[in-house]
Amino acid sequence: DSGVTQTPKHLITATGQRVTLRCSPRSGDLSVYWYQQSLDQGLQFLIQYYNGEERAKGNILERFSAQQFPDLHSELNLSSLELGDSALYFCASSGGGNNPPGYGYTFGSGTRLTVV
Amino acid sequence: GQQVMQIPQYQHVQEGEDFTTYCNSSTTLSNIQWYKQRPGGHPVFLIQLVKSGEVKKQKRLTFQFGEAKKNSSLHITATQTTDVGTYFCAGGETGFQKLVFGTGTRLLVSP
Repeated sequence: DSGVTQTPKHLITATGQRVTLRCSPRSGDLSVYWYQQSLDQGLQFLIQYYNGEERAKGNILERFSAQQFPDLHSELNLSSLELGDSALYFCASSGGGNNPPGYGYTFGSGTRLTVV
Repeated sequence: GQQVMQIPQYQHVQEGEDFTTYCNSSTTLSNIQWYKQRPGGHPVFLIQLVKSGEVKKQKRLTFQFGEAKKNSSLHITATQTTDVGTYFCAGGETGFQKLVFGTGTRLLVSP
């Protein structure tokens, strides 16, 4: 157990639908990051939140949105789903601030999304 | 935007052989981190390098950060089957904590 909890682990849904992925960061971590990993592909940065505020944005589609709540958990909302959105979505957390702490990111186990 | 490339994409070695993966960034980095992702698993943090020319070792693994802080390498001596997985470098730009991950090198080790 890495300390970062992601739910659900698996999700199968139809095209056009909307889903919400949830992430609880490691205790004490202020930053949450979302990454998308397609089959046999690298990790594409989507978005970062720090202590409730959006800190950085990657190539996140307009159909996707995220937020971080006061208790620091985060949700990634994916809407108008397309077949190409099928991927593994990882959440990671870290201690916050501008410079990464020595322990790097802690990743959750991911949510595998399948759009049919 | 910032891009981080890794070579090779894939390498298959016999147990006991050495392995090296190279990481190159299109921009100067404030730090570089390395992660290992086992098949079916999630990325796990290995190490962070911050200083120009820095070299760090973890048992059979040697990590190096280039003098210009735009490239890095990971060398594994005498690979073992437990080294199987995909190795990612990840670069952090000055002033931001966001990491851009490299394309990854998938390592397969045969006994």
